[in-house]
Amino acid sequence: NAGVMQNPRHLVRRRGQEARLRCSPMKGHSHVYWYRQLPEEGLKFMVYLQKENIIDESGMPKERFSAEFPKEGPSILRIQQVVRGDSAAYFCASSPTGTQYNEQFFGPGTRLTVL
Amino acid sequence: AQTVTQSQPEMSVQEAETVTLSCTYDTSESNYYLFWYKQPPSRQMILVIRQEAYKQQNATENRFSVNFQKAAKSFSLKISDSQLGDTAMYFCAFMILNTDKLIFGTGTRLQVFP
Repeated sequence: NAGVMQNPRHLVRRRGQEARLRCSPMKGHSHVYWYRQLPEEGLKFMVYLQKENIIDESGMPKERFSAEFPKEGPSILRIQQVVRGDSAAYFCASSPTGTQYNEQFFGPGTRLTVL
Repeated sequence: AQTVTQSQPEMSVQEAETVTLSCTYDTSESNYYLFWYKQPPSRQMILVIRQEAYKQQNATENRFSVNFQKAAKSFSLKISDSQLGDTAMYFCAFMILNTDKLIFGTGTRLQVFP
């Protein structure tokens, strides 16, 4: 059973461009979470999605950031008009269900660098 | 506000020795889970150990054990017989029941020396 897949592993964008980060959850997992890790900091929750639904987006910046988890295909975290402050590692995690406690399995992360 | 504090930015230990990483947290909730995650240089997040807040018995996983003091809101990690492969960042985290949102501390960088 393959783990959580994220691509690309490294992404370089210039200010003002768009960044698209992809996450394929583990087989059988229908819940996806995105976290952001700024340099020298812990991970910060951004958004929690189920197939075709956003369950909790309390950690998402109000502008430029969006996330989706379509019925088919990977989850996408989209950052429009990137700025230098968006440079960070973005981690995706998945779990088989979303109630009570289910272990979140993390992907290897995407390191975004904004020039 | 829910917060996690790791007061030791860096720790070092000699191979085969024991080291304890500290963690305190703040929440008004009574039902939650606590975790320690390891992040080696590969940056992959790996679950080391977890503790249910309603359980009084401290969790153990091989060389890893925790000291959970609910009243003090303290959740320290003890690594026994340290190995070179334990070198990594260690993050303490908790999750309020039914929220599915992990809240992380800022991490402790552990270096194991031969």
